[in-house]
Amino acid sequence: QGHLVESGGGVVQPGGSLRLSCVASGFIFSSYGMSWVRQAPGKGLEWVASIRYDGSNQYYADSVKGRFTISRDNSNNILYVQMNGLRPEDTAVYYCAKDDLPVAGIGLTGFDSWGQGILVTVSA
Amino acid sequence: QSVLSQPPSASGTPGQRVTISCSIGSSSIGNNYVFWYQHLPGTAPKAVMYRNNQRPSGVPDRFSASKSGTSASLAISGLRSEDEADYYCAAWDDSLSGWVFGGGTKLTVL
Repeated sequence: QGHLVESGGGVVQPGGSLRLSCVASGFIFSSYGMSWVRQAPGKGLEWVASIRYDGSNQYYADSVKGRFTISRDNSNNILYVQMNGLRPEDTAVYYCAKDDLPVAGIGLTGFDSWGQGILVTVSA
Repeated sequence: QSVLSQPPSASGTPGQRVTISCSIGSSSIGNNYVFWYQHLPGTAPKAVMYRNNQRPSGVPDRFSASKSGTSASLAISGLRSEDEADYYCAAWDDSLSGWVFGGGTKLTVL
């Protein structure tokens, strides 16, 4: 599987920006698609964004499209999500997650490794 | 109607078999795989089933799952106290070009 560690969370005002990072180890990062999934307080899991193993395609939930950008640095084994125009409803614990199969088509793999999660709070 | 609908709660006593359903409310998910995740608050989610019925390594064979048409289900037999958690089904929606999670089912072991 793998080991994932998120960082970059914190408190930000509405309209502000944050960049989350997820450092990966224990697997060939450049061979696996990666995703961000969040959980708002008292709510269920919500998919945020995914990126293919080579960065060639990105996919976004409608709720973040146009505001969030997922990217990756395969040289340094880091996954990012740049979050702009943050809203109170973006307050959540954000998890990065790794596909369970390498070099796989989107939608065909589950998430076999997850980070411990990082809290993002959007509040004035 | 949610694209993936789950009952909000389920329960059973130790040793019992419990089934959690996931109703698929969109044709754009219909032929895609369903995945299941176990989540304890404050911890990282854990996959308990891939691709409709493939159990990840390390997940006990007490866990099984199936998918037929517009419904999927996760079954846990020989229920144990450590199975108490929230369970989510998930699938790729071709129309949304994104993953969809069900609302989650809180499993209580009485």
